[in-house]
Amino acid sequence: AQSVTQPDIHITVSEGASLELRCNYSYGATPYLFWYVQSPGQGLQLLLKYFSGDTLVQGIKGFEAEFKRSQSSFNLRKPSVHWSDAAEYFCAVEWGSSNTGKLIFGQGTTLQVKP
Amino acid sequence: GAGVSQSPSNKVTEKGKDVELRCDPISGHTALYWYRQSLGQGLEFLIYFQGNSAPDKSGLPSDRFSAERTGGSVSTLTIQRTQQEDSAVYLCASSIGMGQPQHFGDGTRLSIL
Repeated sequence: AQSVTQPDIHITVSEGASLELRCNYSYGATPYLFWYVQSPGQGLQLLLKYFSGDTLVQGIKGFEAEFKRSQSSFNLRKPSVHWSDAAEYFCAVEWGSSNTGKLIFGQGTTLQVKP
Repeated sequence: GAGVSQSPSNKVTEKGKDVELRCDPISGHTALYWYRQSLGQGLEFLIYFQGNSAPDKSGLPSDRFSAERTGGSVSTLTIQRTQQEDSAVYLCASSIGMGQPQHFGDGTRLSIL
């Protein structure tokens, strides 16, 4: 079955430090890849997306992600974390073969930022 | 507002009661999705609407769950004879079509006593 894995359930970084959140997906043709962020009591906000083309994509709030087909990965990065980045982050994949557009989500990574 | 709107934001009900959750998508978005977010299961797809039809209901966990969409806009998710395991946050999302970003509402937090 198609699946998405976020290996790190919880990550703590110091404010100003760099961040990388990992995401791997099971093999499948034509994946559309997304990162969402969720603050407590709120819905999911789209950070960035990859459909095709340049494998390094830029998103909102200074985030970027790199698609590596050979590694089936789509890791999220930020050069310098701010306290307001503390939240839960979800990687999601839509497989083009699904014909529905439904998203398969990873289990999420909770980011804590130390002052 | 311009975003996806869900109501109620919170719902507490007794086991065995029926509940209705409402989603008002972004105007013009033909695709509508329901997801469930729970501690044990994470974020799970429930159902997909394209217009008023539901070509993919594969995520509905049991026949107690049903959903409809009228006028290509508002959708209602109904849970009959609620059970404690139905306690979760139910999220609605809409998009302009497949392969396009989905925009999420803030969800309905459902608690079954």
